[in-house]
Amino acid sequence: QKEVEQNSGPLSVPEGAIASLNCTYSDRVSQSFFWYRQYSGKSPELIMSIYSNGDKEDGRFTAQLNKASQYVSLLIRDSQPSDSATYLCAVKGITSGSARQLTFGSGTQLTVLP
Amino acid sequence: DTGVSQDPRHKITKRGQNVTFRCDPISEHNRLYWYRQTLGQGPEFLTYFQNEAQLEKSRLLSDRFSAERPKGSFSTLEIQRTEQGDSAMYLCASSGLGADQPQHFGDGTRLSIL
Repeated sequence: QKEVEQNSGPLSVPEGAIASLNCTYSDRVSQSFFWYRQYSGKSPELIMSIYSNGDKEDGRFTAQLNKASQYVSLLIRDSQPSDSATYLCAVKGITSGSARQLTFGSGTQLTVLP
Repeated sequence: DTGVSQDPRHKITKRGQNVTFRCDPISEHNRLYWYRQTLGQGPEFLTYFQNEAQLEKSRLLSDRFSAERPKGSFSTLEIQRTEQGDSAMYLCASSGLGADQPQHFGDGTRLSIL
Protein backbone atom coordinates (compact mmCIF):
# COMPACT_ATOMS: atom_id res chain seq x y z
CA GLN A 1 0.00 0.00 0.00
CA LYS A 2 1.30 3.42 -0.93
CA GLU A 3 1.66 5.82 1.95
CA VAL A 4 -0.31 8.58 0.17
CA GLU A 5 -2.80 7.55 -2.50
CA GLN A 6 -4.65 9.63 -5.03
CA ASN A 7 -6.74 8.73 -8.04
CA SER A 8 -4.47 9.48 -10.96
CA GLY A 9 -7.34 10.56 -13.17
CA PRO A 10 -7.60 12.14 -15.55
CA LEU A 11 -10.57 13.93 -14.04
CA SER A 12 -12.55 16.11 -16.41
CA VAL A 13 -15.19 18.60 -15.31
CA PRO A 14 -17.05 21.29 -17.26
CA GLU A 15 -16.29 24.94 -16.60
CA GLY A 16 -18.23 26.22 -13.62
CA ALA A 17 -18.65 22.81 -12.00
CA ILE A 18 -17.21 21.57 -8.71
CA ALA A 19 -14.07 19.46 -8.98
CA SER A 20 -13.52 16.98 -6.15
CA LEU A 21 -10.07 15.56 -5.54
CA ASN A 22 -9.42 12.85 -2.98
CA CYS A 23 -6.44 11.56 -1.04
CA THR A 24 -5.96 8.83 1.56
CA TYR A 25 -2.91 8.30 3.73
CA SER A 26 -1.65 5.32 5.64
CA ASP A 27 -0.21 6.74 8.87
CA ARG A 28 -2.53 7.77 11.71
CA VAL A 29 0.11 9.94 13.36
CA SER A 30 0.37 12.31 10.38
CA GLN A 31 -0.59 15.83 11.42
CA SER A 32 -0.10 18.22 8.51
CA PHE A 33 -1.68 18.02 5.08
CA PHE A 34 -1.12 20.10 1.98
CA TRP A 35 -2.47 20.45 -1.53
CA TYR A 36 -0.14 21.61 -4.28
CA ARG A 37 -1.03 22.49 -7.86
CA GLN A 38 1.47 21.67 -10.58
CA TYR A 39 1.17 22.89 -14.14
CA SER A 40 2.91 20.83 -16.79
CA GLY A 41 6.65 21.46 -16.70
CA LYS A 42 6.40 23.70 -13.65
CA SER A 43 7.11 23.24 -9.96
CA PRO A 44 4.47 22.49 -7.29
CA GLU A 45 2.64 25.56 -5.98
CA LEU A 46 1.07 25.45 -2.52
CA ILE A 47 -2.66 26.17 -2.61
CA MET A 48 -4.00 24.82 0.71
CA SER A 49 -2.81 23.53 4.05
CA ILE A 50 -4.97 21.88 6.71
CA TYR A 51 -4.05 20.60 10.15
CA SER A 52 -7.30 19.83 12.02
CA ASN A 53 -10.46 17.89 11.25
CA GLY A 54 -13.14 19.68 9.30
CA ASP A 55 -13.24 22.11 6.43
CA LYS A 56 -10.95 24.98 5.54
CA GLU A 57 -12.00 27.42 2.85
CA ASP A 58 -9.87 29.82 0.82
CA GLY A 59 -11.63 31.49 -2.08
CA ARG A 60 -12.84 28.84 -4.50
CA PHE A 61 -10.88 26.11 -2.71
CA THR A 62 -12.05 24.02 0.26
CA ALA A 63 -9.88 21.42 1.93
CA GLN A 64 -11.54 18.75 4.05
CA LEU A 65 -9.76 16.56 6.59
CA ASN A 66 -11.01 13.45 8.38
CA LYS A 67 -8.22 11.99 10.48
CA ALA A 68 -10.34 9.05 11.69
CA SER A 69 -10.82 7.94 8.10
CA GLN A 70 -7.31 9.08 7.09
CA TYR A 71 -8.80 11.06 4.26
CA VAL A 72 -8.21 14.54 2.91
CA SER A 73 -9.96 16.13 -0.03
CA LEU A 74 -9.90 19.30 -2.10
CA LEU A 75 -12.98 20.88 -3.64
CA ILE A 76 -12.63 23.50 -6.35
CA ARG A 77 -15.82 25.48 -6.88
CA ASP A 78 -16.66 27.30 -10.11
CA SER A 79 -13.85 25.47 -11.91
CA GLN A 80 -12.03 27.45 -14.58
CA PRO A 81 -9.91 26.23 -17.51
CA SER A 82 -6.92 27.79 -15.73
CA ASP A 83 -7.44 25.22 -12.93
CA SER A 84 -6.40 22.47 -15.34
CA ALA A 85 -3.29 21.01 -13.74
CA THR A 86 -2.06 18.11 -11.65
CA TYR A 87 -3.03 18.34 -7.99
CA LEU A 88 -0.65 16.79 -5.51
CA CYS A 89 -1.64 15.72 -2.01
CA ALA A 90 1.24 15.91 0.48
CA VAL A 91 1.43 14.66 4.05
CA LYS A 92 4.00 15.64 6.65
CA GLY A 93 5.03 13.28 9.40
CA ILE A 94 4.63 9.85 7.80
CA THR A 95 6.32 7.56 10.34
CA SER A 96 8.60 5.90 7.81
CA GLY A 97 10.00 9.29 6.94
CA SER A 98 11.20 12.21 8.96
CA ALA A 99 8.97 14.60 10.81
CA ARG A 100 9.85 17.33 8.34
CA GLN A 101 9.68 15.67 4.95
CA LEU A 102 6.61 15.73 2.77
CA THR A 103 5.33 12.46 1.35
CA PHE A 104 3.44 13.06 -1.89
CA GLY A 105 0.81 11.14 -3.76
CA SER A 106 1.25 10.62 -7.49
CA GLY A 107 -1.17 13.43 -8.26
CA THR A 108 -4.57 13.75 -9.93
CA GLN A 109 -4.66 15.32 -13.36
CA LEU A 110 -7.61 17.71 -13.65
CA THR A 111 -8.95 19.08 -16.92
CA VAL A 112 -11.61 21.79 -16.89
CA LEU A 113 -13.45 21.84 -20.18
CA PRO A 114 -14.60 25.25 -21.54
CA ASP B 1 10.05 37.87 -1.11
CA THR B 2 11.76 36.65 -4.26
CA GLY B 3 10.83 32.99 -3.81
CA VAL B 4 13.06 29.94 -4.04
CA SER B 5 15.57 30.20 -6.87
CA GLN B 6 17.25 27.26 -8.58
CA ASP B 7 20.05 27.19 -11.11
CA PRO B 8 20.38 25.96 -13.77
CA ARG B 9 16.84 25.38 -15.04
CA HIS B 10 17.98 22.68 -17.42
CA LYS B 11 21.08 20.51 -17.50
CA ILE B 12 21.97 18.03 -20.22
CA THR B 13 25.01 15.89 -19.64
CA LYS B 14 26.57 12.63 -20.70
CA ARG B 15 26.41 9.55 -18.53
CA GLY B 16 29.33 9.41 -16.13
CA GLN B 17 29.74 13.17 -15.78
CA ASN B 18 29.34 15.07 -12.52
CA VAL B 19 26.70 17.76 -12.15
CA THR B 20 26.00 20.37 -9.49
CA PHE B 21 22.78 22.27 -8.86
CA ARG B 22 22.28 25.34 -6.73
CA CYS B 23 19.30 26.44 -4.63
CA ASP B 24 18.74 29.83 -3.00
CA PRO B 25 15.90 29.60 -0.48
CA ILE B 26 13.51 32.32 0.61
CA SER B 27 15.76 34.57 2.66
CA GLU B 28 14.13 34.19 6.06
CA HIS B 29 13.68 30.41 5.79
CA ASN B 30 15.93 28.27 7.96
CA ARG B 31 14.91 24.91 6.49
CA LEU B 32 15.83 23.74 3.01
CA TYR B 33 14.78 20.53 1.30
CA TRP B 34 15.73 18.67 -1.86
CA TYR B 35 13.25 16.46 -3.71
CA ARG B 36 13.38 14.54 -6.97
CA GLN B 37 10.42 14.14 -9.31
CA THR B 38 10.07 11.80 -12.27
CA LEU B 39 7.35 11.91 -14.89
CA GLY B 40 3.91 10.98 -13.57
CA GLN B 41 5.04 10.80 -9.96
CA GLY B 42 4.94 13.13 -7.00
CA PRO B 43 8.18 14.56 -5.64
CA GLU B 44 10.30 12.20 -3.51
CA PHE B 45 12.25 13.49 -0.54
CA LEU B 46 16.04 13.39 -0.79
CA THR B 47 17.47 15.44 2.07
CA TYR B 48 16.80 18.34 4.45
CA PHE B 49 18.86 21.04 6.15
CA GLN B 50 18.14 23.19 9.13
CA ASN B 51 20.51 26.11 8.80
CA GLU B 52 23.84 24.50 7.82
CA ALA B 53 23.13 21.11 9.42
CA GLN B 54 22.00 18.24 7.19
CA LEU B 55 19.47 16.55 9.47
CA GLU B 56 17.82 13.95 7.26
CA LYS B 57 18.82 11.88 4.24
CA SER B 58 16.58 9.53 2.32
CA ARG B 59 17.61 6.00 1.42
CA LEU B 60 17.13 7.23 -2.15
CA LEU B 61 20.24 9.36 -1.73
CA SER B 62 23.01 7.02 -2.87
CA ASP B 63 26.66 7.74 -2.15
CA ARG B 64 26.92 9.40 -5.57
CA PHE B 65 24.74 12.21 -4.24
CA SER B 66 25.98 14.87 -1.86
CA ALA B 67 24.38 18.05 -0.63
CA GLU B 68 25.79 20.97 1.27
CA ARG B 69 24.57 24.19 2.81
CA PRO B 70 27.84 25.63 4.08
CA LYS B 71 26.67 28.96 5.48
CA GLY B 72 23.07 28.14 6.11
CA SER B 73 21.94 30.11 3.08
CA PHE B 74 22.20 28.60 -0.42
CA SER B 75 22.59 24.86 -0.95
CA THR B 76 24.21 22.71 -3.61
CA LEU B 77 23.33 19.20 -4.71
CA GLU B 78 26.03 17.28 -6.55
CA ILE B 79 25.59 14.04 -8.44
CA GLN B 80 28.78 12.20 -9.31
CA ARG B 81 29.12 9.66 -12.13
CA THR B 82 25.63 10.32 -13.41
CA GLU B 83 23.49 7.41 -14.60
CA GLN B 84 20.47 7.25 -16.92
CA GLY B 85 18.22 6.76 -13.91
CA ASP B 86 19.25 10.13 -12.53
CA SER B 87 17.22 11.89 -15.22
CA ALA B 88 14.53 13.77 -13.32
CA MET B 89 13.41 17.16 -12.09
CA TYR B 90 15.35 18.17 -8.97
CA LEU B 91 13.27 20.43 -6.76
CA CYS B 92 14.37 22.59 -3.87
CA ALA B 93 11.95 23.85 -1.23
CA SER B 94 12.30 26.00 1.86
CA SER B 95 10.24 26.69 4.95
CA GLY B 96 10.30 28.53 8.22
CA LEU B 97 11.03 26.87 11.56
CA GLY B 98 7.49 26.38 12.88
CA ALA B 99 6.06 22.86 13.09
CA ASP B 100 3.37 23.54 10.51
CA GLN B 101 5.29 25.83 8.21
CA PRO B 102 4.50 24.93 4.59
CA GLN B 103 7.25 24.24 2.09
CA HIS B 104 7.58 26.49 -0.94
CA PHE B 105 9.20 25.09 -4.05
CA GLY B 106 11.53 26.58 -6.60
CA ASP B 107 11.15 26.08 -10.34
CA GLY B 108 13.43 23.04 -10.30
CA THR B 109 16.38 21.86 -12.35
CA ARG B 110 15.55 19.38 -15.08
CA LEU B 111 18.42 16.93 -15.57
CA SER B 112 18.69 14.88 -18.75
CA ILE B 113 21.35 12.20 -19.05
CA LEU B 114 22.36 11.29 -22.58
